[in-house]
Order: sequence, then C-alpha cells, then structure tokens
Amino acid sequence: DTGVSQDPRHKITKRGQNVTFRCDPISEHNRLYWYRQTLGQGPEFLTYFQNEAQLEKSRLLSDRFSAERPKGSFSTLEIQRTEQGDSAMYLCASSLTGTSSDTQYFGPGTRLTVL
Amino acid sequence: SQQGEEDPQALSIQEGENATMNCSYKTSINNLQWYRQNSGRGLVHLILIRSNEREKHSGRLRVTLDTSKKSSSLLITASRAADTASYFCATDAGDTGTASKLTFGTGTRLQVTL
Repeated sequence: DTGVSQDPRHKITKRGQNVTFRCDPISEHNRLYWYRQTLGQGPEFLTYFQNEAQLEKSRLLSDRFSAERPKGSFSTLEIQRTEQGDSAMYLCASSLTGTSSDTQYFGPGTRLTVL
Repeated sequence: SQQGEEDPQALSIQEGENATMNCSYKTSINNLQWYRQNSGRGLVHLILIRSNEREKHSGRLRVTLDTSKKSSSLLITASRAADTASYFCATDAGDTGTASKLTFGTGTRLQVTL
C-alpha cells in the first residue's frame, strides 16, 4: 500500500500523559500536513512541512504540541500533558508540490481519547 | 476556524436519486476540493476544481464553482447505498502548484437508503 499511513490508529491515555503519533506520507511527497478533527466538525489545520522545514503553524497548536519531520520523510506529532479537550481524530496528509495536482491525500487518522 | 459551510447539514435520499450539496466559502481561493469521509475514518479525495474552472465531472460526480458568489456544489447522480458518508468541501488559498493548508467546511451527512 503506497498511501499515507498513521500509527497508532487509536490511543487512549490519561490526562497529563504525553502521547506521540507518527505519519508516513506517500513516498516522495514533499509536503506533509497535520489536521485535527472533532466530532461533527470538519478537519482543522494544525501545521505543515515542506521537506524537513515547518512552514506554518496554526494558533490551535499550543505550546504543548510539537511536530517534527527530521529527515523530510515521516513526521511525528507529540502532545505533552494531555487534556480532555485534546480528544479528537488527528489526520495526516501529504502532497507533491511543483505539479498541477495540488491534491492532498489523507491517512486513516489517529483517534485520541483522553480520560 | 472553518472557512465555510455546507448546505444542507444532513440529506437523506433513496438509492437511484441524485444528491446535491452546496458549499460556501469566505476568501479568494486557488482551488476547491471535495472529500468523502465514512464514519470515523479518513478522508477520501473526490475531485478538485480550480478557481478558473466552472464545472468538472468525474464519473457520477459533477462539481460547479462560482467564484463571484464564493460557492460550489457537488452533485452525485444515481446514488448508491455505498455513497452514504459525510462530504466536505475544502479550499486552498495558496498558489497553483504549491498546495497549502486546506480550510474545511462543516460537512454534509448523506444517507442513501435502499
């Protein structure tokens, strides 16, 4: 399967714990995006990378959130000191710039539940 | 924040009927994309229409874009039970060829019954 993959698919944690999610984009896609989706809402943008450079961060991304893409391939999203309000689906997407497509391809998401 | 809104919020039709969903947005865009999401799962890309296009087709899907009204519509013809899902429009305000962040609407929940 050459699509976007995310791990884990589900994560249940207690309030105050740290969690880390991983996203593997489509091979050779240079842009990688993170979104968050709460129940009944559309996804909201968190941050995106071009290669290893983080180009934009939403104000939704508080200091407890950090994202990395160290080698320009996979990315991790870490949430420190989780809160119940962090419960959501975290979606990753990738795209290839320099083409006429501009299409973002999404992974299956990681569903986070904070107890 | 959400860029725009889909209308209706929910739609229930019978198999074989057509389904039309509308999307309104607020700012100038490079392109508008439609996605489908089955319950609790990831987003599947359906179709992309650029700001200089007015209509686009893909199989049973037809998308229109009216940039003067900042609105788009998605028509699904001859619907099937498998089309049951939530449908989202998403706008990209970046430059062509350098896809930037997508801003999603609130979604339309489509239910297709036998």
